[in-house]
Amino acid sequence: NAGVMQNPRHLVRRRGQEARLRCSPMKGHSHVYWYRQLPEEGLKFMVYLQKENIIDESGMPKERFSAEFPKEGPSILRIQQVVRGDSAAYFCASAQADTQYFGPGTRLTVL
Amino acid sequence: DQQVKQNSPSLRVQEGRISILNCDYTNSMFDYFLWYKKYPAEGPTFLISISSIKDKNEDGRFTVFLNKSAKHLSLHIVPSQPGDSAVYFCAASPWIQGAQKLVFGQGTRLTINP
Repeated sequence: NAGVMQNPRHLVRRRGQEARLRCSPMKGHSHVYWYRQLPEEGLKFMVYLQKENIIDESGMPKERFSAEFPKEGPSILRIQQVVRGDSAAYFCASAQADTQYFGPGTRLTVL
Repeated sequence: DQQVKQNSPSLRVQEGRISILNCDYTNSMFDYFLWYKKYPAEGPTFLISISSIKDKNEDGRFTVFLNKSAKHLSLHIVPSQPGDSAVYFCAASPWIQGAQKLVFGQGTRLTINP
């Protein structure tokens, strides 16, 4: 039973480029959450999605960030025109009931 | 505004002894709590959870205690093993079945000395 999968594991972008982070939830899970961890901090909620719906995006920055979870395929977190402050570890989690199970994360470095 | 606080950034414990990790919260709407363990370059791994209708939940070497009046929870690991060395995060959310916006503490780095 495969766990939550994220790719790429490491992503390097130059300022102004776009970053696309992918998350495949555990089999049978229809809820996906995205969190961001800045250095020396805890994880911070960004967005909660179900298939084809954004349920709660209260933690998403107002500009440049978007997320989707299409009917087919992985959930995508998209960051346009990246800046150095976007450098962080981005984790997704999937859940079917009470417990969220996390993927290994994508470490984004913006040069 | 840090709604979930882990005031000890680090903790060292001798192998075989008890490790006690603490967590405080401020939001009275929180009524579901979880502990995660994280190794470097990996995602958080779920350890144990507790809802506010309980004051204790036990799973093997791990026990979580909840004191609602004090808005405090703790994770006990006994006996501690070298493989327990990791960063531990507590997380909290309001109980909305099927939808949880977890609020995490800053983490406590636990080191188990052989």
